[in-house]
Amino acid sequence: EIVLTQSPDTLSLSPGERATLSCRASQSISHFYLAWYQQKPGQAPRLLISGASSRATGIPDRFSGSGSGTDFTLAITRLEPEDFAMYFCQHYGTSPLTFGGGTKVEIK
Amino acid sequence: QLQLQESGPGLVKPSETLSLTCTVSGGSINSGSYYWGWIRQPPGKGLEWIGSIYHSGSTHYNPSLKSRVIISVDTSRNQFSLKLTSVTAADTAMFYCARPSDYGLNSEFLHWGQGTLVTVSS
Repeated sequence: EIVLTQSPDTLSLSPGERATLSCRASQSISHFYLAWYQQKPGQAPRLLISGASSRATGIPDRFSGSGSGTDFTLAITRLEPEDFAMYFCQHYGTSPLTFGGGTKVEIK
Repeated sequence: QLQLQESGPGLVKPSETLSLTCTVSGGSINSGSYYWGWIRQPPGKGLEWIGSIYHSGSTHYNPSLKSRVIISVDTSRNQFSLKLTSVTAADTAMFYCARPSDYGLNSEFLHWGQGTLVTVSS
């Protein structure tokens, strides 16, 4: 099983600042099978990024994903008020599919 | 537009079986080669993939739950279902059904139901 470790647990930032979230895998993820999701309280997760770096339809270009192998990053440039939420990474290369523990981006 | 809706009891007693159904609308479970999935999230915690099913009935389960999980599909009703046996308080969670964006198990989850909260308590 691939274990995904996200850091930091919480990121306290102000609107307009840049957020950098990390997702580290316990073993290499093949074919960039890494996704990022945003989740707001009381809502289902929303897909942001797939294939490590491809934005899903309708996702603003202030969201970007990068990385390969075992180290992946989600960057959010110029945080908007609606971006303060939980973020999860997920690998889907092999079974079992697993998720990271999440990073909370909160308003400073 | 594809929509998924979870349904089932919100309260289950310890040692009993949790049963949920996901009803798909705006598309057919039979169309395409998608693996339809169940994911859960304990209150205030992270996400855990439970398992996924193909319209033929082929399944993949999380080994951590495999001994207690059965996922089935009813293509005539455009539904798939989850049964989790011998539940304990640790199984209290929001349960989501979801569909990937692409065919096969190796795909991210694009479409999600709104989720249903199941509490295990006597």
